[in-house]
Order: sequence, then structure tokens, then C-alpha cells
Amino acid sequence: EAGVVQSPRYKIIEKKQPVAFWCNPISGHNTLYWYRQNLGQGPELLIRYENEEAVDDSQLPKDRFSAERLKGVDSTLKIQPAELGDSAVYLCASSAGQETQYFGPGTRLLVL
Amino acid sequence: GQNIDQPTEMTATEGAIVQINCTYQTSGFNGLFWYQQHAGEAPTFLSYNVLDGLEEKGRFSSFLSRSKGYSYLLLKELQMKDSASYLCAVKGYSTLTFGKGTMLLVSP
Repeated sequence: EAGVVQSPRYKIIEKKQPVAFWCNPISGHNTLYWYRQNLGQGPELLIRYENEEAVDDSQLPKDRFSAERLKGVDSTLKIQPAELGDSAVYLCASSAGQETQYFGPGTRLLVL
Repeated sequence: GQNIDQPTEMTATEGAIVQINCTYQTSGFNGLFWYQQHAGEAPTFLSYNVLDGLEEKGRFSSFLSRSKGYSYLLLKELQMKDSASYLCAVKGYSTLTFGKGTMLLVSP
């Protein structure tokens, strides 16, 4: 069974540029999560989807971050414009309802 | 909110046993997870405890005491490949809150 797929794996951009990350969850998992992980820290939740509905986006910096999961399967997270402090690993995870979360390999973002 | 505390770093020798502790204070508790994360890789699921007691899975065991807000991950017969960060995560009403992780270095 395929795991959570993310792309790109690495991204280097200059500040003020836009960037987008894509995630395809494990087949059948209706709950999808985006996390941000800074160096030496644990993952921090940005947004949680149940099917196509964002049910928890309280930690998403809405002035520059947006996300969508239009058909309730794959999802895109966007930053526009990126700032230096956005450099981090962006992790996508999925679960069947409230069960165990399984993580993708992440996108490593470096903002110069 | 959630407050999760675990040691920053630990070292151990190949073949030994190591215990990684995690303490937490939460406003809601629906279970505690342990994840392993190798450098540059995604966290991978190790264990889940929702009731008090010990859960054993091969070389890894996890313990939970809800009344004490305490858990530990026990790794036996350490191997070099066990060098990684170990993340304690508490499930509240619907989301996971992670600790900062414990970096374990296994030496020959």
C-alpha cells in the first residue's frame, strides 16, 4: 500500500516569492493534516481537513498561507509571499478518521 | 492547551536498554503516541497508549500513567539504526500535540 506522497521534496526560493506544496494521502484516509516542523522541534499543526472541509485552521497564518482540498483527496498548501521565517519542513499526514496519523516524507523549504 | 516535556538528548551503547521519558499536562486526553524520526525523514509511528500500563511491540515498549501525566518509551537491545529523534505526542480532543523530541545517539 502506498504511503503519503508529497512533492516537491525540496524547494529553494527567494523571499516574497510564492510557493506551493502538494500532498496525496493514503487511499481511504478521509482526514488530512498539514504540519510545519522547525529544526529541533516537533511538528506543529497548521490545518486539519475532514474530507474537503477544513475543521481546524486556527494555527494557519491566514495572511500568507492558504490550503485547499477540493475533492477531499489530495491537498495543496500555499505560501504567498514567503518570508525568511517560513524556512522549515512541511509535513503532510493522513488518518482514517481519528485513528493513527501517518506522515509523508515532507517538503524542505529554504527561503533566501 | 498541551504542555509536553521530554529530554533533549540521550546517549546509549549498542545492545543496551534505554528509557525515554515524557511528561505532559493537558486540557483533554485521548491517548499518547510515540513516533521515531530519523534525520531528514518523516516521523514513523511506533506506539499508541490510551489506557494505563505497558504495551510491548518487539524491542520497543511504551508505558502510560494517566494519573501522573507520564509515559516512557523503552528500547531494548539497541542497534545503531535506533539513532534517531523520538517524539512524544498527546492526542487532545481531535489533534496531536508533539513534544520537541529526544535525540538518541547509539554508539558502538
